[in-house]
Amino acid sequence: DVKVTQSSRYLVKRTGEKVFLECVQDMDHENMFWYRQDPGLGLRLIYFSYDVKMKEKGDIPEGYSVSREKKERFSLILESASTNQTSMYLCASSGRMNTEAFFGQGTRLTVV
Amino acid sequence: AQTVTQSQPEMSVQEAETVTLSCTYDTSESDYYLFWYKQPPSRQMILVIRQEAYKQQNATENRFSVNFQKAAKSFSLKISDSQLGDAAMYFCAYRSSVGNEKLTFGTGTRLTIIP
Repeated sequence: DVKVTQSSRYLVKRTGEKVFLECVQDMDHENMFWYRQDPGLGLRLIYFSYDVKMKEKGDIPEGYSVSREKKERFSLILESASTNQTSMYLCASSGRMNTEAFFGQGTRLTVV
Repeated sequence: AQTVTQSQPEMSVQEAETVTLSCTYDTSESDYYLFWYKQPPSRQMILVIRQEAYKQQNATENRFSVNFQKAAKSFSLKISDSQLGDAAMYFCAYRSSVGNEKLTFGTGTRLTIIP
């Protein structure tokens, strides 16, 4: 069974903290994505990676960075968390020749 | 840039009836993929159905089918014989067939099933 696993389902952090959201996939997929989901706004792409150590900005990269040191792992980093980053974060992966994207279960992050 | 629009924030349907969710998109490309994803309360996004733009035939998966109108840039999802388990957020998504493989999503439609 294919799997994308996000390290936390719920997370509460304080303003100004550095936050790491981890995502691991076991399908040997080349592409990995981080989306942010907010009510009424759908899913918006933050960053994506099409290969190890490769990354591209999505539609809303401000305030975020990413790291992909290994093919199976894609980390989203909030350098200094702010309350407007309170949201649901979804990780996804897809293969180069495969159109379907598989999603993790989401991390609901609250910044207080 | 491609955009995807879902104009129905909420829909409801009686159990066993049929419901259609609307989606329109904007692109200058001729070849692409379209998807409907379902997100139940568990938050796990699940692929419902996909359509390749070069295929004229509408995709069908059991009770789920699409009406793909390429010229009108419309991609609606029809759910037949609605079941309680169909209650979820439904997202329409677009992916180019060239270049990067990111998905562009609409804002979603929350579907409620009335017993």
